Amino acid sequence: GQNIDQPTEMTATEGAIVQINCTYQTSGFNGLFWYQQHAGEAPTFLSYNVLDGLEEKGRFSSFLSRSKGYSYLLLKELQMKDSASYLCAVTDSNYQLIWGAGTKLIIKP
Amino acid sequence: GAVVSQHPSRVICKSGTSVKIECRSLDFQATTMFWYRQFPKQSLMLMATSNEGSKATYEQGVEKDKFLINHASLTLSTLTVTSAHPEDSSFYICSARDGDYGYTFGSGTRLTVV
Repeated sequence: GQNIDQPTEMTATEGAIVQINCTYQTSGFNGLFWYQQHAGEAPTFLSYNVLDGLEEKGRFSSFLSRSKGYSYLLLKELQMKDSASYLCAVTDSNYQLIWGAGTKLIIKP
Repeated sequence: GAVVSQHPSRVICKSGTSVKIECRSLDFQATTMFWYRQFPKQSLMLMATSNEGSKATYEQGVEKDKFLINHASLTLSTLTVTSAHPEDSSFYICSARDGDYGYTFGSGTRLTVV
């Protein structure tokens, strides 16, 4: 079966760094996405990885290891507005998006 | 960037009535549109995939006759919740592939059935 695992909830302090992990087992792989979703709103795109390595975009970075079926989203200099759910999603061999359950990130002052 | 406009953002309807949700791709052609439902504190659940000019493909457990999807043009897809009941109350989101590898989401529709 297809499966994506990520922690249910994480807590971090304003100004700190947090890493949200995602592991996946899918039938084929055509890319991994990270989305941010605030409560009551639609997801917004953060990053896309299809090759191994680190993609950096401002305070956010995303890493992928295809051999390990593993990715992480790294958030630096955390701000209160970063409190949200972070969704990991993988496109399989049919380019269908397989979603993780999301990680709720709580930022404390 | 690619934009998907979804309307309405919120709707309250009486039990037994039907509600139509529209998603329009504003600056690109969406051959394929995905419809999701999200219950509180849960992840997105794919309901169906609609392709322009053909019948939608529904996920297991989703009633075709209850959730009618029409994708009549490359820029418009609609989801109609027929004979809505309180258990249909949820957050409905559409998404379209924007040409390359990206998926653009509509802003979502909060449906409350009373």
